[in-house]
Amino acid sequence: AQSVTQPDIHITVSEGASLELRCNYSYGATPYLFWYVQSPGQGLQLLLKYFSGDTLVQGIKGFEAEFKRSQSSFNLRKPSVHWSDAAEYFCAVGAGGGSNYKLTFGKGTLLTVNP
Amino acid sequence: DTGVSQDPRHKITKRGQNVTFRCDPISEHNRLYWYRQTLGQGPEFLTYFQNEAQLEKSRLLSDRFSAERPKGSFSTLEIQRTEQGDSAMYLCASSLALWEQETQYFGPGTRLLVL
Repeated sequence: AQSVTQPDIHITVSEGASLELRCNYSYGATPYLFWYVQSPGQGLQLLLKYFSGDTLVQGIKGFEAEFKRSQSSFNLRKPSVHWSDAAEYFCAVGAGGGSNYKLTFGKGTLLTVNP
Repeated sequence: DTGVSQDPRHKITKRGQNVTFRCDPISEHNRLYWYRQTLGQGPEFLTYFQNEAQLEKSRLLSDRFSAERPKGSFSTLEIQRTEQGDSAMYLCASSLALWEQETQYFGPGTRLLVL
């Protein structure tokens, strides 16, 4: 069964600083990978996704993520954080081979942005 | 495209009562999912439908839980004889699964509090 680890429970950065949120997955075959963002009391908004091809994927709000098969990682990055980026971020893996339906999520990383 | 909607957004009930939640997916999406998210955790898969057929149920879904998608459009999730442990955010997602590379779009969630 697949699993996702987000090692950082809480990260604090200053506005304008760069950001990297870590995500490690465990899956025996080619994974489908996603990053979602959740504001307090809200549902999940898709930031970006990786299915195949270019390992550096661009998403909304200036976010990008890089798939590294050798490290089983899919880290999320942003060069300059804005105060509105404060939220909880979830990495998820969907199994390939016709069973992408069941997403497995990490426990999330809470991002605080200092002015 | 108005997105996935869920109703109600918040529900407070007493232990032992029955509750029902509704999810309206993005129109023409053929798959609909239910997830549960407890405090400090990522969402966990509960069940999913392809059109009107319920194709998988998680072991998290006890006999007190039932979900339907009668006409392949909206879905309902009913919890009978609620327990305090049922307190959580219930998230609905939908996708257009034409092939295995599908993307799930989430609604705002229904937050349930069982007293």
